[in-house]
Amino acid sequence: QSALTQPRSVSGSPGQSVTISCTGTSSDVGGYNYVSWYQQHPGKAPTLTIYDVNKRPSGVPDRFSGSKSDNTASLTISGLQAEDEADYYCYSYAGSYTWVFGGGTKLTVL
Amino acid sequence: QLQLQESGPGLVKPSETLSLTCTVSGGSISSSTYYWGWIRQPPGKGLEWIGGMYFGASTYYNPSLQSRVTISVDKSKNQLSLKLNSVTAADTAVFYCAGGSRGNYYMDVWGKGTTVTVSS
Repeated sequence: QSALTQPRSVSGSPGQSVTISCTGTSSDVGGYNYVSWYQQHPGKAPTLTIYDVNKRPSGVPDRFSGSKSDNTASLTISGLQAEDEADYYCYSYAGSYTWVFGGGTKLTVL
Repeated sequence: QLQLQESGPGLVKPSETLSLTCTVSGGSISSSTYYWGWIRQPPGKGLEWIGGMYFGASTYYNPSLQSRVTISVDKSKNQLSLKLNSVTAADTAVFYCAGGSRGNYYMDVWGKGTTVTVSS
């Protein structure tokens, strides 16, 4: 079970859009529509931002959206705001009641 | 509303066993409605799924940690526990307890985390 692959960092200016990718295999990301994304601010616990590839929990702005194609899932944040600056982690079901995280991506709002 | 609180020693010596508990409030640890998990995060690094307990009985572990990890519940105290044996400095991390609803494939309730340092 290897960690999913995410870019180490992405950046964008306020109002712009950014996309964070998450690449796995057919045994995890590609095999199930059970990819979620977590936002983590420094010193805080992660919070659920997207689940089941493209669903948003209540309270999460619709600026956050998710998608998946084959073995790669993506998180897109549109209309970037300063408070979106954080670390983002993808998380995928990997079968047999096991899960795997991505390595994490640091989003910088310029 | 479900709430989770991790607790345990902040310092563990190398080769010893790390023991943490997660106290659940607002729900029953043994309920088949939820499943529970432990996640860790070494300083400056990413999240790692350690393992989970489902429907009050079955446990599943990260293959890379399986030989050293035990997750169990204490129904009388409504607590989830984590034991990690033969620890080294590489096990230094913030440990999170998290929960999810049965049928869902994500954790939507997290504790605040507890820091454990492995050092002599």
